[in-house]
Amino acid sequence: DAGVIQSPRHEVTEMGQEVTLRCKPISGHNSLFWYRQTMMRGLELLIYFNNNVPIDDSGMPEDRFSAKMPNASFSTLKIQPSEPRDSAVYFCASSAQGAGELFFGEGSRLTVL
Amino acid sequence: LAKTTQPISMDSYEGQEVNITCSHNNIATNDYITWYQQFPSQGPRFIIQGYKTKVTNEVASLFIPADRKSSTLSLPRVSLSDTAVYYCLVGERYGGATNKLIFGTGTLLAVQP
Repeated sequence: DAGVIQSPRHEVTEMGQEVTLRCKPISGHNSLFWYRQTMMRGLELLIYFNNNVPIDDSGMPEDRFSAKMPNASFSTLKIQPSEPRDSAVYFCASSAQGAGELFFGEGSRLTVL
Repeated sequence: LAKTTQPISMDSYEGQEVNITCSHNNIATNDYITWYQQFPSQGPRFIIQGYKTKVTNEVASLFIPADRKSSTLSLPRVSLSDTAVYYCLVGERYGGATNKLIFGTGTLLAVQP
């Protein structure tokens, strides 16, 4: 089992550039979560999907952030334009509805200069 | 949403039993209690989940009193490799509109030789 796959693992970009983070959940899982982790704010839930439908995006910091899940095997988190304060590790997690256990990817470390 | 409170850090020595307590005074009837472990540069990993009384698996035990307003994660005979951040979460086990899994600040467990 490949687990949750995230890409890129590391990205360094300049302020104002567009950033796209990708996630492939575990096959068969119905729920997908995007989290952001920083030293100051810990693990923050940004958005989650059930059956490809966004359920709660109240954690998305502002309009510069957007997330999509076009099908059950792929999701993206986009930041446009990026700012230095967006620097963080972004985690994607998936779960099988009814299981209650989140499986996390290895994260995408974003640095915005 | 139930909010959780945990100690920020704990110290222990190899071979000792470690108990980490989490307070969740506003836990709802449908909420389960789940604990995760996170090592540096990795995503959180599921440890154990329970609803009431006691749950035990090959890694840990989870004790939940009758009022469910707190829970205690018990790690038997810790080793250096158990040094990590431990998170307590409460939320509905089954997916849906309210399945919003919020991580608290976590407890940094430092195990010394």
